Amino acid sequence: DTAVSQTPKYLVTQMGNDKSIKCEQNLGHDTMYWYKQDSKKFLKIMFSYNNKELIINETVPNRFSPKSPDKAHLNLHINSLELGDSAVYFCASSQDSVTSGSSYNEQFFGPGTRLTVL
Amino acid sequence: QKEVEQNSGPLSVPEGAIASLNCTYSDRGSQSFFWYRQYSGKSPELIMFIYSNGDKEDGRFTAQLNKASQYVSLLIRDSQPSDSATYLCAVINGWYSGGGADGLTFGKGTHLIIQP
Repeated sequence: DTAVSQTPKYLVTQMGNDKSIKCEQNLGHDTMYWYKQDSKKFLKIMFSYNNKELIINETVPNRFSPKSPDKAHLNLHINSLELGDSAVYFCASSQDSVTSGSSYNEQFFGPGTRLTVL
Repeated sequence: QKEVEQNSGPLSVPEGAIASLNCTYSDRGSQSFFWYRQYSGKSPELIMFIYSNGDKEDGRFTAQLNKASQYVSLLIRDSQPSDSATYLCAVINGWYSGGGADGLTFGKGTHLIIQP
C-alpha cells in the first residue's frame, strides 16, 4: 500500500529514444508534481498539476511532457533523450490547506526513477 | 524566481551534540517554510514546517524563522548517527487559483554527518 509509486525504478536508454515514467498516488491528493534531482543532488520542480491545470517550470525543455489520465496518475513522457537528462526523477503529491496567515504543503515523494542516458 | 540558499557542507557534528542547519531565502513574501530530510538513495521526507516568526519544536527538532532577516534554521538536539542525511530547506512557489501549491523551491541541501 505504497502512497506514491513510480515505475520503473531504473531506466537505462540510448540518446534519442523516447521514454515514459509512470506515477500513481493512492492518497486522494489533488496536486501532483515532477521533480528532477541532478548529479549534484539539486532538487528542482519541473511540473505541477492540479485539477487539470498544469504549471510548467519555464526552464524545462518541451521534450518533457506530463500526462494525467486521472487525478491519481501523472506520467512523464520524454522525447529525444539527451545525455543531460540523466538524473533521478521524483514524483510527489500533496493535499494542501490554506488558513489565515499560513499555507501548508506536505509533499509525499515517490521512490524516484534513476534515468541514465547513454 | 524564488531562491533558497544553504551551505552544502558537509557539516560534521559529534553524537549527542546540537546540529544547526541554516537557510536563507530571496522572496520576502514567502510565507511557509519546510525542512525535508533525504537519506542517500532515498526520497525526501518532511520533518518540520514553520510559518510564524519564532521557534517551533517537535521532539528533538526545532525550526526557527526570522522573516525580517529572511532566515530559517533547523536545530537537532541530541544528534544521533541516524540523523546523518542531507537536509533540504524549501519554500512554496505559489498557489493555484483553485487551491493547491505550485511546487516547492528547494535549496541545494546541507549534508550532515553525525560522528559516533
